Amino acid sequence: DAKTTQPPSMDCAEGRAANLPCNHSTISGNEYVYWYRQIHSQGPQYIIHGLKNNETNEMASLIITEDRKSSTLILPHATLRDTAVYYCIGTDMRFGAGTRLTVKP
Amino acid sequence: EPEVTQTPSHQVTQMGQEVILRCVPISNHLYFYWYRQILGQKVEFLVSFYNNEISEKSEIFDDQFSVERPDGSNFTLKIRSTKLEDSAMYFCASREFLAGGPNEQFFGPGTRLTVL
Repeated sequence: DAKTTQPPSMDCAEGRAANLPCNHSTISGNEYVYWYRQIHSQGPQYIIHGLKNNETNEMASLIITEDRKSSTLILPHATLRDTAVYYCIGTDMRFGAGTRLTVKP
Repeated sequence: EPEVTQTPSHQVTQMGQEVILRCVPISNHLYFYWYRQILGQKVEFLVSFYNNEISEKSEIFDDQFSVERPDGSNFTLKIRSTKLEDSAMYFCASREFLAGGPNEQFFGPGTRLTVL
């Protein structure tokens, strides 16, 4: 199972793109990468997942490097409501500390 | 859009009492999970449940904890004799079964358990 590493915190200006990195150098070939976020003490909210190809949905885009050792979650136009803790996790669905993203006006 | 629901939203109990936290997973999902989050800490895995039995549990999930799917819709977490340190948010999650496919879990809003 992949162990993931994320920066503890990031800031982003409102309306700008937020790029959240994640290292998962131990990921196996058939293991998906999942991104979740948690706003305050709410339940974790699923954002997106990927295996090899880049993915996009209504919430975000996920860029996965060719060697699959890292990925970047992109929120194209961050809003104040995107302030949350963002988690990058592998198939074992074990949460780390995540990245606390603060979107500032 | 289907969602995982949990009741109650807040449970206050006395130390040593039994509590049952309830969850209604998404209807076509086959895997069920409990997690907990102590205030200010990370989300911790407790247990996963599939085909009416525990498929995996963490070291936190000791003999004081049990899970059950008493009917076709509910999934419960029981804490037999609560301790102060059981105070936390408890999240239920569920997912479909897709062999070899993605396994995104969907989480409920949580139950805040306060042990006095």
